[in-house]
Amino acid sequence: QQQVKQSPQSLIVQKGGISIINCAYENTAFDYFPWYQQFPGKGPALLIAIRPDVSEKKEGRFTISFNKSAKQFSLHIMDSQPGDSATYFCAATGNQFYFGTGTSLTVIP
Amino acid sequence: EAGVAQSPRYKIIEKRQSVAFWCNPISGHATLYWYQQILGQGPKLLIQFQNNGVVDDSQLPKDRFSAERLKGVDSTLKIQPAKLEDSAVYLCASSRGTPSRETQYFGPGTRLLVL
Repeated sequence: QQQVKQSPQSLIVQKGGISIINCAYENTAFDYFPWYQQFPGKGPALLIAIRPDVSEKKEGRFTISFNKSAKQFSLHIMDSQPGDSATYFCAATGNQFYFGTGTSLTVIP
Repeated sequence: EAGVAQSPRYKIIEKRQSVAFWCNPISGHATLYWYQQILGQGPKLLIQFQNNGVVDDSQLPKDRFSAERLKGVDSTLKIQPAKLEDSAVYLCASSRGTPSRETQYFGPGTRLLVL
């Protein structure tokens, strides 16, 4: 059973555009929701994270929007750049740590 | 600060053979994690250590997988015997402590191909 559902599986965005990746969860015991960025041949690296008592968190061009009642959260990448091309994973953690299935983002110059 | 080190980076074995992976976490990090990442999927937690004790191994296939963290520093993950479906990248991560909000730092992974 997939604890965290992520969509879309792949995303192609023009340079300067907005990339949006969505995740949903069921377990209300989750209390921390990080996003990880992974480049080919590398391990995932923490990008940004949010707690469920906050509806939005912004760090530079990256923003997490969190909807506790809907049990959904999303990552928005503003002014997307070719260097942002990577695989993005949402995750949720409480007593255990669960990753989403990943979104392959390609930013076209 | 040195990152999480893993070796080997790549390994090719035949099914039913044994294989072992090594991980050296960031200095001072008490918690160590092993993940399995199958191509096209997100990492799946196999086992979590706090110092040299096991915190969570509920998703570790214990009939063939084993892991240890002697002296609470380095760790090894072993598969014996390997199956075709074990082909994946095995990621090691470490964090300062066990609280869920602690940032996990990942190594580059070991890519295993079972033929």
